[in-house]
Amino acid sequence: EAGVAQSPRYKIIEKRQSVAFWCNPISGHATLYWYQQILGQGPKLLIQFQNNGVVDDSQLPKDRFSAERLKGVDSTLKIQPAKLEDSAVYLCASSFSALGRGSTDTQYFGPGTRLTVL
Amino acid sequence: AQKVTQAQTEISVVEKEDVTLDCVYETRDTTYYLFWYKQPPSGELVFLIRRNSFDEQNEISGRYSWNFQKSTSSFNFTITASQVVDSAVYFCALRFSGGYNKLIFGAGTRLAVHP
Repeated sequence: EAGVAQSPRYKIIEKRQSVAFWCNPISGHATLYWYQQILGQGPKLLIQFQNNGVVDDSQLPKDRFSAERLKGVDSTLKIQPAKLEDSAVYLCASSFSALGRGSTDTQYFGPGTRLTVL
Repeated sequence: AQKVTQAQTEISVVEKEDVTLDCVYETRDTTYYLFWYKQPPSGELVFLIRRNSFDEQNEISGRYSWNFQKSTSSFNFTITASQVVDSAVYFCALRFSGGYNKLIFGAGTRLAVHP
């Protein structure tokens, strides 16, 4: 079974430029997550989709970050304009379903995109 | 508040040594799940184990074992007879019942196993 796919793997941009990351989840997984992992820290959730609807985007900096999952499968995360502090690894994860309290759902992660903002 | 603390930033051991990675969590929920993930240099987070709050039985999988103690809010991970391939960053994570499956990660412990 194919895992979570992400591209590109690496991206270097200058501040104030825009950038987009792509994620294709595991086939059949309804829930998709974008995490930001700053060097030396654990991943932090940016946004969570259930099919093509947003479940949680409370920690997404909406003035510069946007994400979509139009057909309920793959997803794009965009940053516009980028700041120096956006330098991080952006991880995409998917799970079968997040619904219900006490869900036993497990998240599976892609290889991430390492973004460097100069 | 939900929080995960991994106090050990880095651990260095020689191959074949046993090593324990500590994880302490905070949550007011009675139903929650704890996870361990491994992040090798390639960057991908690899799922290792999931435990729910009602199951305090320790678990062993090959050279890996986990000790879950609700009394001390800890979920420690032991690697027996460590190998160079175990070198990675290990993350402990908490999922609580009200969080839409959101994972709260600790800062991670970097394990270096030397030949």
